[in-house]
Formats: sequence, structure tokens, C-alpha cells
Amino acid sequence: AQKITQTQPGMFVQEKEAVTLDCTYDTSDPSYGLFWYKQPSSGEMIFLIYQGSYDQQNATEGRYSLNFQKARKSANLVISASQLGDSAMYFCAMREGKDSSYKLIFGSGTRLLVRP
Amino acid sequence: EPEVTQTPSHQVTQMGQEVILRCVPISNHLYFYWYRQILGQKVEFLVSFYNNEISEKSEIFDDQFSVERPDGSNFTLKIRSTKLEDSAMYFCASSSDMLNTEAFFGQGTRLTVV
Repeated sequence: AQKITQTQPGMFVQEKEAVTLDCTYDTSDPSYGLFWYKQPSSGEMIFLIYQGSYDQQNATEGRYSLNFQKARKSANLVISASQLGDSAMYFCAMREGKDSSYKLIFGSGTRLLVRP
Repeated sequence: EPEVTQTPSHQVTQMGQEVILRCVPISNHLYFYWYRQILGQKVEFLVSFYNNEISEKSEIFDDQFSVERPDGSNFTLKIRSTKLEDSAMYFCASSSDMLNTEAFFGQGTRLTVV
């Protein structure tokens, strides 16, 4: 079974509008962390935002916010006021607390294209 | 700002040759990782390294792969006899020993096996 599922292979959004990228996860571990990374066409992996399983509030980092719904096991990324530079692949990832190596498990990604 | 650096950025090698991918993790980090991303696919975990030994490896990380931290700063991934299917972007990452901190990724090494 997939631990991280991103159901949107591609998304379009108009510049200056908000967009939500979906992510659902599967774990039985009560302690885990959820991450979003951006991968532009140049290939590097850029950390965007983190949400811990015990965090009471949704994480926010500038224009990025994470809509964390624990009961539904979803951790959607919301990008507000989209910019052309937001066009990239976006990966959701999870780290489980029981995993002593702290490795990240990635979803298949969503390609976002921002239209001018 | 501290960063993870990888060399080379791109390597082309002939099938059957050995390659060594190099990484310098962030100096005060304790956990080191290699990930692989085949073109157009998701990022896959290969191996994690802690306290000078492998802490976990995936099914991909077979006997052809090895990792080493020879001098306390560099972290290398060796592929003994490359295959065409080893062509991918290889990312090195490091993190501290906290669950809730992000892994910092290097810019990647694109390996092309011909």
C-alpha cells in the first residue's frame, strides 16, 4: 500500500490565484512528520513546509500553508497568490517516528503550472 | 546558510564501470541519506547512515551499492558495476536527530549510464 498518495499528476492555476495540492498518507504510527518539497526544472529539492502529527495548528510559511486534517489523514498544500516562479513539481513526504533512520517517504508528485 | 553539496553535478559513465558520487553534508548533522529519482518519477529512498554505519537500506540498495564516510565530512555512494537502469538523479541529504526537522538536500548528481 502507498504510504503517500498524491492524486493530481498535474495542475494549472492562474497567476495570483490560490491553489491546493492534495496529499493523503497512511501510517499507524502516532508520531510522524509531513513535509512538502518543491522541485523546479533545475532539479534541486527545496523544502517548503513541515507539519508534525502533534501540532495543533496548521503550519504556515509565507505564501505556503498546510491544511492538516488528521482524521482524514490528509496534508494538503495551499499556495496563495501564485507566482510564475511557483511552476514546478511538488512532492509530499512523510517521516515516521518509529523509523529510527528518519528517512522520508515521497509521493509521486504534482506538476504545477502557473499561467500568466 | 549551511548547505549540502554534491559533486559532480553530472556524470556520464559506461555500463559496467564503477562510479563514486560525493557529498558533503551539513557539518553538525548526524543522519545522512542517499535518494534516487529516475527521470519523471518520484524520489526513492536508497540508504540511511548514522554513527558510521548503515541504519536502513531499501530493496534498491543491493550488493552493487555501498556508502562510506571516509573522513568525517564526505559521504560517498559507490556503484560497483553500473547498469543502464542506474541512470537517475541521485540526491544526498542530511538531517539532525530530530523527527520534526527537514532533511536538507544537495542539488543532486545526474548519472547517465551509456
